[in-house]
Order: sequence, then C-alpha cells, then structure tokens
Amino acid sequence: EDKVVQSPLSLVVHEGDTVTLNCSYEVTNFRSLLWYKQEKKAPTFLFMLTSSGIEKKSGRLSSILDKKELFSILNITATQTGDSAVYLCAVALNSGNTPLVFGKGTRLSVIA
Amino acid sequence: EAQVTQNPRYLITVTGKKLTVTCSQNMNHEYMSWYRQDPGLGLRQIYYSMNVEVTDKGDVPEGYKVSRKEKRNFPLILESPSPNQTSLYFCASSLLVNPLGSYEQYFGPGTRLTVT
Repeated sequence: EDKVVQSPLSLVVHEGDTVTLNCSYEVTNFRSLLWYKQEKKAPTFLFMLTSSGIEKKSGRLSSILDKKELFSILNITATQTGDSAVYLCAVALNSGNTPLVFGKGTRLSVIA
Repeated sequence: EAQVTQNPRYLITVTGKKLTVTCSQNMNHEYMSWYRQDPGLGLRQIYYSMNVEVTDKGDVPEGYKVSRKEKRNFPLILESPSPNQTSLYFCASSLLVNPLGSYEQYFGPGTRLTVT
C-alpha cells in the first residue's frame, strides 16, 4: 500500500526560528513529490521535486528530495506568524492512474 | 484567471436528502479529482477522472458518485448523505502530463458539508 508519512504532526515555534518538516514515503512508481501550504482554505502549491539532491528555493522556504532514502524536507527560515498553516506533502505516482497520495500534514504554529 | 470553483461553499443538510457539489475548472485540464479532508486523516481521494467519460474510484468512494460529461465539470453526488460524510471537500484539477513533466494540482476553495 502506498503511503506518505509526515512528521511532526504539530509544531509550535517562535517568530524567527528555523523549522524543518519531514516527509517520508513508500510508494510504487514514484513520479514526483509535492509540498502544499494550507491555511484556512484550499491547499496552495509550494514545490514539486523530481530529482534527488536538487534544492528548490522560494524566499525563506526551501525543499530537497532524497530518492535513495525516500524522504523530503521542507525548511522555513526566519519564520513569521504568516507561516502558520498545515503543510501537506504528496507523492504523485507514475502509474496510469496518476493519483496523488497525501500525508496527513504538519500543523505549524508560529507565535510572536 | 485560472481557477477551480466549487459550489456551494457551505452546506448543512439532513440525512438521506440527495445533494450535488459542483466543480468547474477553466484550465482545460484532463485530470480532475475529489478529496475529503477530516481531522487526523488528512486528504483522502474519493473519485478521480482522467478525461471525459473516464472516472475511477479513489480511496474512499463509498456513498459517492461522480460524472464527467464535459471536460470542465466534475460534480460530486451524494445520493443519500449520512452523518459520516460530514467533512471538508476539495475538488482539484491538473494536466495529465504537462510539458515540464510536472504534476501540480490546483485546488478549489473547498465545500464544508454538514449532514445532520
């Protein structure tokens, strides 16, 4: 059974801290790994990773994929209260059906 | 503006009363999908469609139906809603394969359904 596991489930940090969110996966026919940010609405796309070792970066957020060890991390530096959200990791499968398998998410709370 | 729209955004209904949640996308995407999101369970796929008239079950299809008569629309039908279908529902769409080989799904705003 394909599965995606995120850790921690919940995290509370102070503004300015750096956080690392983890996503490990066990799937057949891996195609890509995606990170989404979900506030009080629909998930919004952050990153898509297909190759190991290549860091994707957007402002204070960055992510990297390790296809050998089957995990990805999402880093957020100098956190702000606006970073408070649920961060979802999903794996796209390279099968004919191409569904996405989602993790349960990490709830990040950034307090002032 | 490229978007996925869902209606209604909020719905409170009673057990057994048939309802339909509409989903529409204006990006000419082949792939569309419905998810439900529940606390502690994350996003779970209900049904998906790879193109017009092509639909298939996801992880939790029981109690739901879908149809894909047109490329842009993918309604979710609850023939006889029950309280365990109280949830937050998301519709999503994507190209099946885009030129970059990536796979980004665009999500609708969500429909919060309560079945009493």
